[in-house]
Amino acid sequence: ILNVEQSPQSLHVQEGDSTNFTCSFPSSNFYALHWYRWETAKSPEALFVMTLNGDEKKKGRISATLNTKEGYSYLYIKGSQPEDSATYLCAFPGDNFNKFYFGSGTKLNVKP
Amino acid sequence: DVKVTQSSRYLVKRTGEKVFLECVQDMDHENMFWYRQDPGLGLRLIYFSYDVKMKEKGDIPEGYSVSREKKERFSLILESASTNQTSMYLCASSLGGKQPQHFGDGTRLSIL
Repeated sequence: ILNVEQSPQSLHVQEGDSTNFTCSFPSSNFYALHWYRWETAKSPEALFVMTLNGDEKKKGRISATLNTKEGYSYLYIKGSQPEDSATYLCAFPGDNFNKFYFGSGTKLNVKP
Repeated sequence: DVKVTQSSRYLVKRTGEKVFLECVQDMDHENMFWYRQDPGLGLRLIYFSYDVKMKEKGDIPEGYSVSREKKERFSLILESASTNQTSMYLCASSLGGKQPQHFGDGTRLSIL
């Protein structure tokens, strides 16, 4: 079992605040790192798939960076909105590159 | 758009029953997955399949089996349901580790 850790476990911010959270993963034999957003009563939705050290991806107000050498990825949300409230999950494919290990997620609550 | 369909959103069964959870995807993906999600534990992989009739155990396969007779369908079977199998079950499919996983809406299973 690979160790994929996310921090913090939960975050409460005000509308308009910018926020970020971390995903840590094993730095050896890197293949890819995934970010998902999981809103209540919906299914998880893919945000980013990151494959190269130094990768930076952006989708609207959400962006992510990747450091494969030290084994971490940051997810940033600029100017949080209530609709950003969700659990954000990262996932790391294991040895055979198809089997995914998920972190326990960061639950974000954005207050209006 | 990829569609992953799980047969039930909510299911209530009794201990000792044999329970079938069905999942169908419409995008010809080789890989399909069954996860369970429990509070504070994130998504844990039960089984995955990388081809028809091919399967591999995930992290928590005890008490479960799977069947993949056709590429589009992946079934999770609880051989003899127990109360500790009460959980949210999610099915997903993907093309591979560098492609995002696509999730179904989940089945909330209660074992009484």
